[in-house]
Amino acid sequence: AQTVTQSQPEMSVQEAETVTLSCTYDTSESDYYLFWYKQPPSRQMILVIRQEAYKQQNATENRFSVNFQKAAKSFSLKISDSQLGDAAMYFCAYIKTSGTYKYIFGTGTRLKVLA
Amino acid sequence: EPEVTQTPSHQVTQMGQEVILRCVPISNHLYFYWYRQILGQKVEFLVSFYNNEISEKSEIFDDQFSVERPDGSNFTLKIRSTKLEDSAMYFCASSEGLVNTEAFFGQGTRLTVV
Repeated sequence: AQTVTQSQPEMSVQEAETVTLSCTYDTSESDYYLFWYKQPPSRQMILVIRQEAYKQQNATENRFSVNFQKAAKSFSLKISDSQLGDAAMYFCAYIKTSGTYKYIFGTGTRLKVLA
Repeated sequence: EPEVTQTPSHQVTQMGQEVILRCVPISNHLYFYWYRQILGQKVEFLVSFYNNEISEKSEIFDDQFSVERPDGSNFTLKIRSTKLEDSAMYFCASSEGLVNTEAFFGQGTRLTVV
C-alpha cells in the first residue's frame, strides 16, 4: 500500500528566510504524481506545486520549489523568502497515474512564519 | 476564479441522526471526491465519483455513507446514522481529469456529532 510520511509536525521560519518541509513516500509504482497542498486557517486546501514522477527536473513555482529524489522516495518543499501569508498547514500528497482516483495525504506540517 | 463550494460550513447533529453535506463542484469537472479530516489528523480519502457512480471507496465508507449527484450540479454526502466518531471536517473536491489535473477542494464542512 502507498503511504506518505511527513515527519515534521511543526516548523518555524523567520520572515524572508528559507524553509524546507520534508516528505517521504512509499510506493511500488513507477509512474505517479506528487503534490504539495497548503491549508491556511480558512481551511480551503490550495495546490502549491505538482511533480510528475517521470520528470527528472524539479518543479518550481515562484518562491516554491521541490527537491524530488525518486530513488530515495523523497519530495521536499522549499519556500524561499518566506512571507507571513505562507503560514499554514502543508500537506504532501501522492496519486498513482492509473487504476485509482484516490489521493493519499501525509499528516501535514504546520508552518509558522515569525515576523 | 471557479471554486468548489460546500454547505453548511458547520453542522451540529445528534448521534443517530441523518446528515447531508452538500457540495457544488466546478462546473466542467468530471471527477468528484469526498475526504475527511478528524481534528489534528491527516486528510483521509472517503470516496470518488465519476459518470454517476462510485469509482472507488475506502474502508471508512461503509453502509452508513452514500453519495449522490441528484441534479447534475450538486454532489452530496449522506451519513445515515451519525456516530460520535463521524465528527470531522469533510472536504469535497473535484477535478477536470483523473490524474494530470489538480483536485480543487472546497472550504469544508465541520460536522460535530453530540
